[in-house]
Amino acid sequence: AQTVTQSQPEMSVQEAETVTLSCTYDTSESNYYLFWYKQPPSRQMILVIRQEAYKQQNATENRFSVNFQKAAKSFSLKISDSQLGDTAMYFCAFMKPSYSGAGSYQLTFGKGTKLSVIP
Amino acid sequence: SQTIHQWPATLVQPVGSPLSLECTVEGTSNPNLYWYRQAAGRGLQLLFYSVGIGQISSEVPQNLSASRPQDRQFILSSKKLLLSDSGFYLCAWRTPLAYQETQYFGPGTRLLVL
Repeated sequence: AQTVTQSQPEMSVQEAETVTLSCTYDTSESNYYLFWYKQPPSRQMILVIRQEAYKQQNATENRFSVNFQKAAKSFSLKISDSQLGDTAMYFCAFMKPSYSGAGSYQLTFGKGTKLSVIP
Repeated sequence: SQTIHQWPATLVQPVGSPLSLECTVEGTSNPNLYWYRQAAGRGLQLLFYSVGIGQISSEVPQNLSASRPQDRQFILSSKKLLLSDSGFYLCAWRTPLAYQETQYFGPGTRLLVL
């Protein structure tokens, strides 16, 4: 079974600064997907960024980028130019594709990192 | 564009009462649907998933059940709620197309069992 570990329960960052959230995972699979989701106080889960394991290039989405280290099984999220609206819980998630055609494409989540952006 | 709805947004129920939470998706056909539960201060736990009408798979044994009576409708039910059923319930969908693995979540239902 896959596990996802987020070792930082809480973090804070000054507005306009850069912060990095850590995530490690454990799997024996060679092909999989990794995600970062954001959960603001409204509690809706919002996709931030995704990474395919077969791609060496790190994914970027505007101010959000990842550092994907496949051998180390590490998937960190960097937020540049932090904004007050970035205050939220951030969840790292792992997905193993199903090849049977009827699989669940199940997401396994870490326990989250609570990020506070300080004005 | 696709949208996902959940209702009610908030629910307070006594122990032993029944439960019915509804999730509907618009703008897509034959989606894969998921029910997750998030207990206070914890990550998400997958409860059920469905790849089609009437097809339900359970990931965690519990007193909850799920049904999919229509293509874009997913219902979470219980005959008798327990205190431990309190939590935040999220429905999610993904397109069944290959290489489209991302799951998109609804706004959630906050359930408090007293």
